[in-house]
Amino acid sequence: DAGITQSPRHKVTETGTPVTLRCHQTENHRYMYWYRQDPGHGLRLIHYSYGVKDTDKGEVSDGYSVSRSKTEDFLLTLESATSSQTSVYFCAISEDGPSGNTIYFGEGSWLTVV
Amino acid sequence: GDSVTQMEGPVTLSEEAFLTINCTYTATGYPSLFWYVQYPGEGLQLLLKATKADDKGSNKGFEATYRKETTSFHLEKGSVQVSDSAVYFCALTASRRALTFGSGTRLQVQP
Repeated sequence: DAGITQSPRHKVTETGTPVTLRCHQTENHRYMYWYRQDPGHGLRLIHYSYGVKDTDKGEVSDGYSVSRSKTEDFLLTLESATSSQTSVYFCAISEDGPSGNTIYFGEGSWLTVV
Repeated sequence: GDSVTQMEGPVTLSEEAFLTINCTYTATGYPSLFWYVQYPGEGLQLLLKATKADDKGSNKGFEATYRKETTSFHLEKGSVQVSDSAVYFCALTASRRALTFGSGTRLQVQP
């Protein structure tokens, strides 16, 4: 199993406050991702990174920013949290291999914006 | 853009019944296809994958065959157990190396 740690695992915050979620990997994988999971939508890509300081937007990036200053850490920031950002957030990493682009997930961060 | 369509759930089966969860996709290029499983309160786990046409992925009794001609990757299991109750996600990766997911199908297996 790929070593992925998300923190915090659970957080309740107020509307308008900034929130940062952290994803830490113990492997040395190049690609890291942030997804959000909502009922009826499956998982949707927020942002991803393909190297240190190299990031790109996903399909639901509005209201989110990311940073990757080290290979092992990928931070997701909600600049000013809104109730629509209440969700479960999953970090994932991509493990290069001969059989294709297998992606492994962390255990999730439950965020509630009140 | 890339997309994945899964049958809506929940799917409710009795133990030892045959399972099929349909998945079709739209993608440019030659995507890799995946099934992920999510047990209650947990993250997603890779169940199986296939990287080219006619490949069959298999794991824990589950199987899926990459059908390019029908753009499908249906998940099957010959005899489900109560412990298989979970949400199943079909997904693909294409040019961006990021997964595109279907909306998920909840499976409930009754004793």
